[in-house]
Amino acid sequence: LAKTTQPISMDSYEGQEVNITCSHNNIATNDYITWYQQFPSQGPRFIIQGYKTKVTNEVASLFIPADRKSSTLSLPRVSLSDTAVYYCLVGRGGYQKVTFGTGTKLQVIP
Amino acid sequence: GAVVSQHPSWVICKSGTSVKIECRSLDFQATTMFWYRQFPKQSLMLMATSNEGSKATYEQGVEKDKFLINHASLTLSTLTVTSAHPEDSSFYICSARLPIQGLVGTEAFFGQGTRLTVV
Repeated sequence: LAKTTQPISMDSYEGQEVNITCSHNNIATNDYITWYQQFPSQGPRFIIQGYKTKVTNEVASLFIPADRKSSTLSLPRVSLSDTAVYYCLVGRGGYQKVTFGTGTKLQVIP
Repeated sequence: GAVVSQHPSWVICKSGTSVKIECRSLDFQATTMFWYRQFPKQSLMLMATSNEGSKATYEQGVEKDKFLINHASLTLSTLTVTSAHPEDSSFYICSARLPIQGLVGTEAFFGQGTRLTVV
């Protein structure tokens, strides 16, 4: 399983765009990159998943460079409710187990 | 989207007793489920992989006789913390993936978690 490295914490003001970068130097050819959000005392919630280039959904964008050794989660115009821990995971789907790194604690400031 | 439900959401038990936590996949069949433990201000730690109809696979350092896992049906996995002690107090979370084989990336769905407090 590819190891991931993220900043431990980030602060941002409301209304700003937040970019959280994850490093995964030993990502395998068949691995996908998935980001989850976790609020206190709740299970993680899926945000976005991608394999290469750019993926966008209604809540976030995911940028993946050609070498796939890193990825950036972009949250447009964050609000206080986006204060949470964000986890970057790398791996294949199906029955492969999902292991978590340290995550990034995002604090949105009014 | 797919839903995974845990029960109970929180439980308080006396030291030395056993506690069972249920994890259900509500709208899909999950041949494999995962159990995690999370201590305050820490990341999720994978405890074991629960396989329907067979023995669970435990991560290194997790006592299989203390954390009994049963995956008797395609929609239900249970985690029993036996002879619980205060150090077992934690947030337990289960997860399941859609049963798609092959090399297609699939998201994992997580339960809401169970807060266990052993007094």
